[in-house]
Amino acid sequence: GDSVTQMEGPVTLSEEAFLTINCTYTATGYPSLFWYVQYPGEGLQLLLKATKADDKGSNKGFEATYRKETTSFHLEKGSVQVSDSAVYFCALSGVTSGTYKYIFGTGTRLKVLA
Amino acid sequence: GAVVSQHPSRVICKSGTSVKIECRSLDFQATTMFWYRQFPKQSLMLMATSNEGSKATYEQGVEKDKFLINHASLTLSTLTVTSAHPEDSSFYICSARDRTLSYEQYFGPGTRLTVT
Repeated sequence: GDSVTQMEGPVTLSEEAFLTINCTYTATGYPSLFWYVQYPGEGLQLLLKATKADDKGSNKGFEATYRKETTSFHLEKGSVQVSDSAVYFCALSGVTSGTYKYIFGTGTRLKVLA
Repeated sequence: GAVVSQHPSRVICKSGTSVKIECRSLDFQATTMFWYRQFPKQSLMLMATSNEGSKATYEQGVEKDKFLINHASLTLSTLTVTSAHPEDSSFYICSARDRTLSYEQYFGPGTRLTVT
């Protein structure tokens, strides 16, 4: 079945460091890919998305490119801030029996130190 | 646009009682809503998928008689935890799919349930 594999956390970085959080997937067909962010005690917020191969999603300095050849959707940011500290989830969505279910990765906790 | 609300945000109930959580899509029609459960420091676990006007489809291992889901309108779904026990304490998150956008789900802010 479809699955998402996300790098283990926690990831601890200093402010202004470069961030990469790896995400790979297995899926039939052509899923849409998402990155969500969750701050403590809150729900999920969509960070960025890509719906087809070679699409690049970007938002708030974060980027991820849908790579079909490597089945990856790695999240990157050139210079992280303390306010980026949160848990990041990679997810895919495709039609499964018509339900459009999401498959989530396990989440990666990011801590940015001042 | 595409805002989903949940009520209540936090609830504490006694063991054996039932509690209802509401999920509303505020500015769009949601043909499908999803209910997730999240344990501390873990990912989201899909509990069930509900389609407006029909019975919910539960994931394997989720007790449908314990977690009652109703999706009576295109903007409202409810999750009722019946005869709650301390092990039901968790963070419950709903999401809604906009009928005009094929794949994207919009998430509510979550409900923290504590059963004493």
